Amino acid sequence: AQTVTQSQPEMSVQEAETVTLSCTYDTSESDYYLFWYKQPPSRQMILVIRQEAYKQQNATENRFSVNFQKAAKSFSLKISDSQLGDAAMYFCAYRRGYGNKLVFGAGTILRVKS
Amino acid sequence: EPEVTQTPSHQVTQMGQEVILRCVPISNHLYFYWYRQILGQKVEFLVSFYNNEISEKSEIFDDQFSVERPDGSNFTLKIRSTKLEDSAMYFCASSEGSGPQETQYFGPGTRLLVL
Repeated sequence: AQTVTQSQPEMSVQEAETVTLSCTYDTSESDYYLFWYKQPPSRQMILVIRQEAYKQQNATENRFSVNFQKAAKSFSLKISDSQLGDAAMYFCAYRRGYGNKLVFGAGTILRVKS
Repeated sequence: EPEVTQTPSHQVTQMGQEVILRCVPISNHLYFYWYRQILGQKVEFLVSFYNNEISEKSEIFDDQFSVERPDGSNFTLKIRSTKLEDSAMYFCASSEGSGPQETQYFGPGTRLLVL
């Protein structure tokens, strides 16, 4: 079974600085997809960024980028120029290529200090 | 921007009672999902639904649970006889297709408390 591990229960960052959230996963599949979802206090989960396992290039969405290390099964999220609105719970998630089920990590609470 | 909606936002029920959680997926989406998050724990997949059938379900989704698309817009999760351990946040999600490029869009959740 696939598992997703987020080893940082909580992280803090100063406004305008950069923070990296860690995620590792375990799978025997070769075709899969990885996601970072943001869950603000309103609790609606919002997709931040996605990465296809077959792509070597790291995904980037504005201030959000990933460091995807396939051999190490690592998928970290880097948030640059952190803003107060980035404060939320961040979930790493995995989906195998031929299914729809998302497998989530335990989440990392990100606090942004002004 | 279209979004997934869920009602009610909060529900309190007595153990043994039936509850129905409602979701309105994004209108052109064909795939629907339920996830739950027990307080302090991971978000867990319950079930996926397509073409009026369950396409995948987890071990959590036992006979106490059922899903239905009663009309063209709603997608419901029924818990037949609630237990204390069913207390959780329940998230509905939908996607346009099932391909790997598809994104699941989540609703705001229903917080269920079983007393």
